[in-house]
Amino acid sequence: AQSVTQLDSQVPVFEEAPVELRCNYSSSVSVYLFWYVQYPNQGLQLLLKYLSGSTLVKGINGFEAEFNKSQTSFHLRKPSVHISDTAEYFCAVREKGSNYKLTFGKGTLLTVNP
Amino acid sequence: DGGITQSPKYLFRKEGQNVTLSCEQNLNHDAMYWYRQDPGQGLRLIYYSQIVNDFQKGDIAEGYSVSREKKESFPLTVTSAQKNPTAFYLCASSNRGQNGYTFGSGTRLTVV
Repeated sequence: AQSVTQLDSQVPVFEEAPVELRCNYSSSVSVYLFWYVQYPNQGLQLLLKYLSGSTLVKGINGFEAEFNKSQTSFHLRKPSVHISDTAEYFCAVREKGSNYKLTFGKGTLLTVNP
Repeated sequence: DGGITQSPKYLFRKEGQNVTLSCEQNLNHDAMYWYRQDPGQGLRLIYYSQIVNDFQKGDIAEGYSVSREKKESFPLTVTSAQKNPTAFYLCASSNRGQNGYTFGSGTRLTVV
């Protein structure tokens, strides 16, 4: 069965600094990978996804993520964060050829300070 | 526009009462899911359904019940057997293929 580990539960950064949110997964087969963002008291919104092809994936709001098969990682990055990026971020994995279900990490709370 | 609607956004109930949370989607998705979210605990799967009239327990199904009589609808009942029902509840849907989930905006349930 697949699993997802988000290595940091909280990441505080200053505005305009770069940020990296780390995600590692475990699976015995090929996977699809996703990052979601959740603003307070809202549902989750898809930021980006890796399906196949180029390992660098660009998403909304200036975020990007890089798939590293050898390290089974899918870290999320942004070169310069804004106050409005303060939110919780979830990494998720789905095995190719499986049923519909995603497995989520426990989330990373990104707090951007002025 | 297609989407997934949860209602109500806020719900208050007295302890011992059953309460039903609504989830409706017009995305023609086959699968629907209910998650519970508590601070610092991520998303925990309660129930999911991949086809009409069929559903499976997730990781924390005790004290909850669901039905899937229509493809568009997947209501969740929080029963009096649920020991600690106060939480944020999220509904999601998906289809086969390469896409992830589409989420509703959530229902915050407070039991007093």
